[in-house]
Amino acid sequence: AQSVAQPEDQVNVAEGNPLTVKCTYSVSGNPYLFWYVQYPNRGLQFLLKYITGDNLVKGSYGFEAEFNKSQTSFHLKKPSALVSDSALYFCAVRDTGLNSGGYQKVTFGTGTKLQVIP
Amino acid sequence: GAGVSQSPSNKVTEKGKDVELRCDPISGHTALYWYRQSLGQGLEFLIYFQGNSAPDKSGLPSDRFSAERTGGSVSTLTIQRTQQEDSAVYLCASSSIRDTEAFFGQGTRLTVV
Repeated sequence: AQSVAQPEDQVNVAEGNPLTVKCTYSVSGNPYLFWYVQYPNRGLQFLLKYITGDNLVKGSYGFEAEFNKSQTSFHLKKPSALVSDSALYFCAVRDTGLNSGGYQKVTFGTGTKLQVIP
Repeated sequence: GAGVSQSPSNKVTEKGKDVELRCDPISGHTALYWYRQSLGQGLEFLIYFQGNSAPDKSGLPSDRFSAERTGGSVSTLTIQRTQQEDSAVYLCASSSIRDTEAFFGQGTRLTVV
């Protein structure tokens, strides 16, 4: 079974400082990995994804994430945080193992609240 | 349509009543998901439809919850005999093998009074 862990319920960072939101995963095969963001009273928006290729993936709003196969991690990063980045962030995984067939189920983590302090 | 559409956007119902929530996925998407999100909390998986396969109902919290997906497109989530703890935002998403990521609707905010 596939699973995702976001070990931090909340991350606080000062504006202008680099930020990291952690995510680890477990799958039987190769993973597709995703980050979504949810601003207050809004739906979930897709930020970026890792499918294959370069381990460093760049996405919207200056965010990037690094796929680390040995550590089964996909941490979200941004070099300089903005107050407007304050939101709820979700990591997600989809298994592409041989036994997954056409199964497309995406499993989400429990979310990490990012608070950027002015 | 261009995106995932959910209706109604808001629903207030009395305890004990039945409600139906509708999701129109992106045309051609074979996978459809329902999630529940309580205020400021994470996503709780409810049910997953994949093409013509039997749905994954492992997340439905009780037998008061059921969902259908007719013709591989529109889905309806039904909650019978609603309880106050059912109050939440119900989110629908769809995906395809080609697009890989899931696209979310804006959700239905359900309030049981």
